[in-house]
Amino acid sequence: QKEVEQDPGPLSVPEGAIVSLNCTYSNSAFQYFMWYRQYSRKGPELLMYTYSSGNKEDGRFTAQVDKSSKYISLFIRDSQPSDSATYLCAIQTGANNLFFGTGTRLTVIP
Amino acid sequence: GAVVSQHPSRVICKSGTSVKIECRSLDFQATTMFWYRQFPKQSLMLMATSNEGSKATYEQGVEKDKFLINHASLTLSTLTVTSAHPEDSSFYICSARDTRLAGGGGQYFGPGTRLTVL
Repeated sequence: QKEVEQDPGPLSVPEGAIVSLNCTYSNSAFQYFMWYRQYSRKGPELLMYTYSSGNKEDGRFTAQVDKSSKYISLFIRDSQPSDSATYLCAIQTGANNLFFGTGTRLTVIP
Repeated sequence: GAVVSQHPSRVICKSGTSVKIECRSLDFQATTMFWYRQFPKQSLMLMATSNEGSKATYEQGVEKDKFLINHASLTLSTLTVTSAHPEDSSFYICSARDTRLAGGGGQYFGPGTRLTVL
């Protein structure tokens, strides 16, 4: 079983839609939860991180963590064509390595 | 935010040659740096963890004699692909962990280096 499972998509939505991206994980010891955005042929860019259950909001982005269900989500409101990218969830225990999901490719259609 | 640079951004070389890729943390110190490779439409695969002043730790299946890693300072790590072959063609991405941040969110990625071996 993989440490992190993520639906690879692809996911296509119209501009302005709410996007929901999800990951599940298996190890309850994981403490830190991150979302990265990766444009084609670029390195991943850290979007959001959190270390507790609940929601964290930053502009149009909301990260949600449910530790009891081992489930994390990223919501994008009012999606824009510029949001078209691959979104990777990543989880971590303390100072250890990141475990990445496979990434979900998102396309926002104008 | 923290910036990690990589050089070169793209390299094309002949089979059998060696290629060096540099990774620098520009505005923070990084005791630990990571090297990943990524094939098209796939996620990042960790190759090795590089600690300043000590030998790198390689993931299972990664040949340490082929992928030489040197972490000579708190802001620089290098990956040398020795005797490159076409199957080594890939997107190589480094990442650096900000030593000031104890937990998650302190790992930043470079823009990647696209290696093509002819």
